Amino acid sequence: EIVLTQSPATLSLPPGERATLSCRASQRISRYLAWYQQKPGQAPRLLIYDASNRATGIPARFSGSGSGTDFTLTISSLEPEDFAMYYCQMRSNWPPAYTFGQGTKLEI
Amino acid sequence: QVQLVESGGGVVQPGRSLRLSCAASGFTFSNYGMHWVRQAPGKWLEWVAIIWYDGTDKYYADSVKGRFTISRDNSKNTLYLQMNSLRAEDTAVYYCARGLSTSGSDYWGLGTLVTVSS
Repeated sequence: EIVLTQSPATLSLPPGERATLSCRASQRISRYLAWYQQKPGQAPRLLIYDASNRATGIPARFSGSGSGTDFTLTISSLEPEDFAMYYCQMRSNWPPAYTFGQGTKLEI
Repeated sequence: QVQLVESGGGVVQPGRSLRLSCAASGFTFSNYGMHWVRQAPGKWLEWVAIIWYDGTDKYYADSVKGRFTISRDNSKNTLYLQMNSLRAEDTAVYYCARGLSTSGSDYWGLGTLVTVSS
C-alpha cells in the first residue's frame, strides 16, 4: 500500500508570501496526483490534477510540480482566501485506489 | 451547472445498514466514473470507493471492502452507497464526487453526515 506524507503539517505565512507544500509517496507513483483545497464546512475543491495541470477556474498563482515520489504545490503569492487545508491524492495503477495525504494546514 | 446532491445520512446503530444516494445533474452522468469519499470529524479525507462510468468495475478502500457496495443507475442519474455492518469508525461526512479519467475529482457534493452510535 502506497502512503502519501504531506509536510509540513502546518505552515504559517503572511499574505503575499510564497507557499510551498510537499507531498511524498512511499513508492514511485505515476503523475496521477491531484491537489485539493478545503475550507471549514466545505467540500474539497480541485486545484491541480495529473501533478501539474490547473483545474478549471483555478488562479495562476497555484502550480503543481513533481514526479516519482516527490510532488509540490506552490502558491506564488498568498491571498487571504488561500488560508485553508490542502490535501494531495494519488491514483494507484492496479488495483485502482485513490489515497489521500493527511493534509497541510496553511494558516496566517 | 454541475450539481451533486447527497442524501440518506443519519444516525444508525452499530451493525445496522444505511444507503446513501447522490443525485447528479448538469452533465452526462453516464460518461463519468464516480467516487465516494468520507471525512471523519476533524480528520482528513478518506477515499471510499469508485465505480466506472458504465458500472462494470468497482473498487473499494480496504477499510470498507466486503461491507460497502457502490452502484449507480444511469437512467436516474443517481449514485448509491450501500453500507452494511456499520461501525463507529464509519462515522463521517460522506461526499460523492465526479472523477476525472486520470487523477482528481472536479465536482463534489456538499456531503451527508453518517453517525454510527448506540
